[in-house]
Amino acid sequence: QVHLVQSGTEVKKPGASVKVSCKASGYTFSNYGFTWVRQAPGQGLEWMGWISANGDNTMYAQKLQGRVTLTSDTSTATAYMELRSLTSDDTAVYYCARVNYYDDYWGQGTLVIVSS
Amino acid sequence: DIVMTQSPDSLAVSLGERATINCKSSQSLLYSSNNKNFLAWYQQKPGQPPKQLIYWASTRESGVPDRFSGSGSGTDFTLTISSLQAEDVAVYYCQQYYTTQRTFGQGTKVEIK
Repeated sequence: QVHLVQSGTEVKKPGASVKVSCKASGYTFSNYGFTWVRQAPGQGLEWMGWISANGDNTMYAQKLQGRVTLTSDTSTATAYMELRSLTSDDTAVYYCARVNYYDDYWGQGTLVIVSS
Repeated sequence: DIVMTQSPDSLAVSLGERATINCKSSQSLLYSSNNKNFLAWYQQKPGQPPKQLIYWASTRESGVPDRFSGSGSGTDFTLTISSLQAEDVAVYYCQQYYTTQRTFGQGTKVEIK
């Protein structure tokens, strides 16, 4: 059974960075890429970026270009999302999702709070 | 980027009645080489991650009740809940995966009348 388990809540100050992890189990990690999606409080879903199955290719949302980096570690079956230069606008729940053309399995979400 | 527009933003339907949500894309999501529409529907309940309902515009995910159905092609798509149940109260999103840079509709909130 496929499971994606994300790291816990983070509280950061403006200007800091955050790195969220997404540990996969129940399937062959290197066969599927990941997307990352965030959801600000009371708002809709915003696509952030994609990383390929082997981790060699990435694509990012234009508005986040330069601030976000997606990586993956096949040895631990874990995907990571790092977001830098945080502002209050980055306060949101961050989700990882496995890519099977569509996004078929999702992590439980990680709340990132940016506050001084 | 492909822009996805859902309508309505919210709707209230009586238990057992039909709920219909529309989704329009700014460009065709039909891939000619395989004749598939790269369109998915998700359901999100408060405090939970989105849950896959429909992919390829009309294929139900395993375990999804058959009261949920998807239709449409090209740029116009519809999610129908044939007989609304209390547990269907949620926000529903369409998403295009035609391009790597996926985009979502703004969401449609479904409530009980």
